[in-house]
Amino acid sequence: AQSVTQLDSQVPVFEEAPVELRCNYSSSVSVYLFWYVQYPNQGLQLLLKYLSGSTLVESINGFEAEFNKSQTSFHLRKPSVHISDTAEYFCAVSDQTAAWGTSYGKLTFGQGTILTVHP
Amino acid sequence: GAGVSQTPSNKVTEKGKYVELRCDPISGHTALYWYRQSLGQGPEFLIYFQGTGAADDSGLPNDRFFAVRPEGSVSTLKIQRTERGDSAVYLCASSSPLQAETQYFGPGTRLLVL
Repeated sequence: AQSVTQLDSQVPVFEEAPVELRCNYSSSVSVYLFWYVQYPNQGLQLLLKYLSGSTLVESINGFEAEFNKSQTSFHLRKPSVHISDTAEYFCAVSDQTAAWGTSYGKLTFGQGTILTVHP
Repeated sequence: GAGVSQTPSNKVTEKGKYVELRCDPISGHTALYWYRQSLGQGPEFLIYFQGTGAADDSGLPNDRFFAVRPEGSVSTLKIQRTERGDSAVYLCASSSPLQAETQYFGPGTRLLVL
């Protein structure tokens, strides 16, 4: 079984400031890692994912996350935020070893971090 | 192409009633997942279909909850004898065999049990 902890329930920042949203996970098996974003009154959208290879992954809108296996973390960062980044962000993991047709792909989510960007 | 769609977008019902929530996945996606998101929480897994069969239903909270996917496409989540604690947003997601680890979510159905 896996668990995900998002250490901050709310993060207020000013526009153009840097931000880090923290995510730690616990798992007895190798995992895939994801960040999803939920804008107000919208559904969950995939922001970025780590499957294998380079531990630093980037999104098209300037976010990046780094997989740190020793610290079991996958923190999300952006060097300069915009008002439009205001949303709730969810970190999630899935079991990399699960066989197709069993529990493959089942996501375990953290509780979410509400990012509010102020002008 | 079209994304995952869910109907209805909102459902208000009375305690004890039966409800059905529908999910229409992306065309060609063989895997379908249901999650439940309670207020202030992250989504929690309910059930996973691979084709027509439920490969993993370990997240269904009790026997009042049931889901089907008879033709391997549209899925229906059924809740009998609804309780106030069932109030939540029910999310559906689907994934392609070619990119099986990545799920695409629908907008959700907001269920309110009075």
